[in-house]
Order: sequence, then C-alpha cells, then structure tokens
Amino acid sequence: AQSVSQHNHHVILSEAASLELGCNYSYGGTVNLFWYVQYPGQHLQLLLKYFSGDPLVKGIKGFEAEFIKSKFSFNLRKPSVQWSDTAEYFCAVTFPHGSSNTGKLIFGQGTTLQVKP
Amino acid sequence: NAGVTQTPKFRILKIGQSMTLQCTQDMNHNYMYWYRQDPGMGLKLIYYSVGAGITDKGEVPNGYNVSRSTTEDFPLRLELAAPSQTSVYFCASTPKGGRPQHFGDGTRLSIL
Repeated sequence: AQSVSQHNHHVILSEAASLELGCNYSYGGTVNLFWYVQYPGQHLQLLLKYFSGDPLVKGIKGFEAEFIKSKFSFNLRKPSVQWSDTAEYFCAVTFPHGSSNTGKLIFGQGTTLQVKP
Repeated sequence: NAGVTQTPKFRILKIGQSMTLQCTQDMNHNYMYWYRQDPGMGLKLIYYSVGAGITDKGEVPNGYNVSRSTTEDFPLRLELAAPSQTSVYFCASTPKGGRPQHFGDGTRLSIL
C-alpha cells in the first residue's frame, strides 16, 4: 500500500539555523507531492507542490523542496528559520493519473518544528 | 470567497450521542474530503466525494456517515459517539483530483 513517511517527529532549532525535513513515499508510479504547514490553532495551508518539471520547487515564506525520484524523497528545506516558522509540517502524496484518480491525499505523520528565538 | 467553512468549531459530546459536522465550500469544487487529525498520526481520510451524489470510504470510515446532495455541502455524521472519535476533524475540497486541497479551520470534538 502507498505510504508516506516523515523521519523527524520533533525538531528544535534556533533562529537562523537551516532546516531540512525528510519525506519519503512508497509508490512506484507518478505522484504529485505536497508540503502543508499547520500553524498553532490553524488549518493546513499549502507550502509548496510538485507535479512535474524542475524537481526543485520553491514555495511560500522561503521554503523549497527537492524531488529525488530515485530516492522516492521530497525533502523540505529552508536556509534560515524564523521563530514564526514554529508549526507542524506535513508531507503528502496524491496520484494524478488515470480515471480512478480521486485526489486522495496520503499524509505523513507530521513533523513538529519548534524554533527558539 | 469564504473557501471551506466548517461548523461548529468546538463541541463536547457524551458517549452515545449523535451529531453532524457541517462543511460547505463556495468554490464549486467537485471533490471533497473529511479527515481526522490525531497527535503523531498525521491526517487520516474518513470519507470523500468526487461529486454530488457520490461518496466513498477512506481509510478510517467506521462510525461515520456522509452524504453529498449538493456540490457545496458535505456533512459528516457521527451516529453513536465513542471516546475514540475524540479528534480534530478537517474538511477539504479541490477542483480536480491530484490538485492542492483547500482546508477548513477544523472542528475540535471531544467525547466524554
């Protein structure tokens, strides 16, 4: 069965530190990949997405992610985090092709990022 | 546009009670979803719908029911609330399968 795995469950960083959150998925076919962020007490918001093309995608608030097909990975990065980046981050996958595509998202377990001022 | 609107935001139920979580979207999206979010578990799909009159089970459908009589509305019903259904529930929609989903603000439900 398809699954998404986020390796880091809880990450604590100081401001200005660099961030990399791991995400791997298990599926041999074409996928659409997403990172969502959930700030405390809020709903999920889209950070960035990958459908096709350049495997390095840039999202909002200085985040980027790189799709490495050979590693089934879609890691999220930010060169310098801010206190306001404290949130929970979810990697998710959906499958774009075929008549049976229902757009179901499969989420990773989430990574809680805490940025110390 | 309001986007995806969920009501209520908070609710406390007693075991065995029933209730309906409301979800409506004004973006004319065909696809709608219900998730539950539990700590350390990510989001799990409960039910989804690819259009009015069409619904299907997700990963964790037991104890829930849905209907989709209109494009806009996708209510989630709990018939006999159980403590295991204590969770935060999110509704989402998207115009097309595989595209980013738009999420509502969530409903925090506690069953005591």
